[in-house]
Amino acid sequence: QKEVEQNSGPLSVPEGAIASLNCTYSDRGSQSFFWYRQYSGKSPELIMFIYSNGDKEDGRFTAQLNKASQYVSLLIRDSQPSDSATYLCATSGGGFKTIFGAGTRLFVKA
Amino acid sequence: DTGVSQNPRHKITKRGQNVTFRCDPISEHNRLYWYRQTLGQGPEFLTYFQNEAQLEKSRLLSDRFSAERPKGSFSTLEIQRTEQGDSAMYLCASSFDLGVSGEKLFFGSGTQLSVL
Repeated sequence: QKEVEQNSGPLSVPEGAIASLNCTYSDRGSQSFFWYRQYSGKSPELIMFIYSNGDKEDGRFTAQLNKASQYVSLLIRDSQPSDSATYLCATSGGGFKTIFGAGTRLFVKA
Repeated sequence: DTGVSQNPRHKITKRGQNVTFRCDPISEHNRLYWYRQTLGQGPEFLTYFQNEAQLEKSRLLSDRFSAERPKGSFSTLEIQRTEQGDSAMYLCASSFDLGVSGEKLFFGSGTQLSVL
């Protein structure tokens, strides 16, 4: 079993819709959870992080964490074509090692 | 802040040759990571340094791979006797401490290795 699991997609949504990206993790010792965005041919960049159960909002992005279910999600409201990218879910435990999932490809259709 | 710099951007080598990659992290970051990424996969952890100390290596990393970070500044990743399965993007990242939230990784542009 992979430590961080994501649906590889592609997930296709129309412009202006809400995109919902999901992730599960296996290590109950995971303490921090991250969403990185990776454009094609580019390196990952951090867009959201969360470490407490519940929701965290930043602009059009909302991260949701449920530690009991070992589930993390990212909602993107008012999706734009520029949001088309691969979204990587990642976790880290008490140490300083970030583990990534395989990523979900998102396409936003204009 | 000039970002994380990696050299070379591309490397083509023949199977069995040795290759070395360099990473210059953001100067005020004391942790440095190496990841490997293949098409359709997320970055796979290889190893990390805190200052000059190498604190962890992936169990998946064979003894053909070695990394150094002399004086806690730049880092090098060497692959000896390269194999075709080593073909991948090698990403370096340095980190900014977020406190209880963990740390934010800043990635370089990567070195794309092709082993023929």
